[in-house]
Amino acid sequence: NAGVTQTPKFQVLKTGQSMTLQCAQDMNHEYMSWYRQDPGMGLRLIHYSVGAGITDQGEVPNGYNVSRSTTEDFPLRLLSAAPSQTSVYFCASRTPTEGYTFGSGTRLTVV
Amino acid sequence: KNQVEQSPQSLIILEGKNCTLQCNYTVSPFSNLRWYKQDTGRGPVSLTIMTFSENTKSNGRYTATLDADTKQSSLHITASQLSDSASYICVVSSGAGSYQLTFGKGTKLSVIP
Repeated sequence: NAGVTQTPKFQVLKTGQSMTLQCAQDMNHEYMSWYRQDPGMGLRLIHYSVGAGITDQGEVPNGYNVSRSTTEDFPLRLLSAAPSQTSVYFCASRTPTEGYTFGSGTRLTVV
Repeated sequence: KNQVEQSPQSLIILEGKNCTLQCNYTVSPFSNLRWYKQDTGRGPVSLTIMTFSENTKSNGRYTATLDADTKQSSLHITASQLSDSASYICVVSSGAGSYQLTFGKGTKLSVIP
């Protein structure tokens, strides 16, 4: 049981490039979400999904896309990277009773 | 707007000493409150969860309290260890299914020998 696995752990992009941050969980959780964490700020919700085929926007969705084709996977796509997207990204999954399980994060730098 | 305020922003204590971290929230409707520990370079890990009717919840040397009337919570760490050095984040859930979270900015605790 690996929990929530995020890849890659580190990434450097040039402005305008696109990429996908991967997130997988093996706990059969219906709910998954993506957050970004910036210095001096609390985690902010980017997108979330309450089950396969269902996604919705969070607090800061602009510049990001998500899809949920399976229960296990919830990738986050950066369409055209900007320096403002330099951040640490966390994927999380949860059940109503067990609470949230976070991945170990992806540190993204956009230059 | 829902808000979670934590204090202090940072704290340095000697190994073996106790400390208390504070969390004030203005979140409505309230569902539950969680404290998370986040080690440097890692994702947050849940320490405790409390619902409206719970006043105290312990997890080893960590004890969380909740006063739903004043909308305050505290996390008390007893006999601190070097491994307690981390950021501690207060998170309040609201809304149907408790999917709506408001995160505090965290308190960065450093335990020194």
